[in-house]
Amino acid sequence: DAMVIQNPRYQVTQFGKPVTLSCSQTLNHNVMYWYQQKSSQAPKLLFHYYDKDFNNEADTPDNFQSRRPNTSFCFLDIRSPGLGDAAMYLCATSSGPSGSVNTQYFGPGTRLTVL
Amino acid sequence: AQSVTQPDIHITVSEGASLELRCNYSYGATPYLFWYVQSPGQGLQLLLKYFSGDTLVQGIKGFEAEFKRSQSSFNLRKPSVHWSDAAEYFCAVGALGAGNMLTFGGGTRLMVKP
Repeated sequence: DAMVIQNPRYQVTQFGKPVTLSCSQTLNHNVMYWYQQKSSQAPKLLFHYYDKDFNNEADTPDNFQSRRPNTSFCFLDIRSPGLGDAAMYLCATSSGPSGSVNTQYFGPGTRLTVL
Repeated sequence: AQSVTQPDIHITVSEGASLELRCNYSYGATPYLFWYVQSPGQGLQLLLKYFSGDTLVQGIKGFEAEFKRSQSSFNLRKPSVHWSDAAEYFCAVGALGAGNMLTFGGGTRLMVKP
């Protein structure tokens, strides 16, 4: 089945220790998103890639970076995690031209704990 | 800019009872509307969506939603709730020209009593 896969499902890191979260998709979608979701809150968009074009949300901290080496994979790098970065990180994908509204399909998420 | 309000943070219903979750949006043109469900520790699963056409939309798991332009609403309904429906439900709106982004409501947590 076509799907969005996130690894690992659970990640524990130490305060200030860089961490990378991974997302892959078999849907061949051209758009990939990273969301941060804190407990009992709605997902908050961090950034997205339209093809290779990176689009950063204005309020996304510089501590968060992303890479998309190819269509299938996208990575979220947190350079110096703080306690406030503990959250569920959701990857999503969609397909369609820029500016259109397309259905987003989500992965299962990675739960990040910062000690 | 578009916005979404889900007025009910928590709702508790008895198993077998009917359910309606409210969603109100603010957007100047025709919105693109979605309902997602999130079980604990999981990602978001699409229940249904409205882009155009028939204002009553059928989704998975027996859910439906009705788009009412006059009330700026897109309420989610299910005639008979099952214990497995206990989850968080998010309404979202997309808008042309807003890139590929969705604006999410704050979510409604559904609890089901046996």
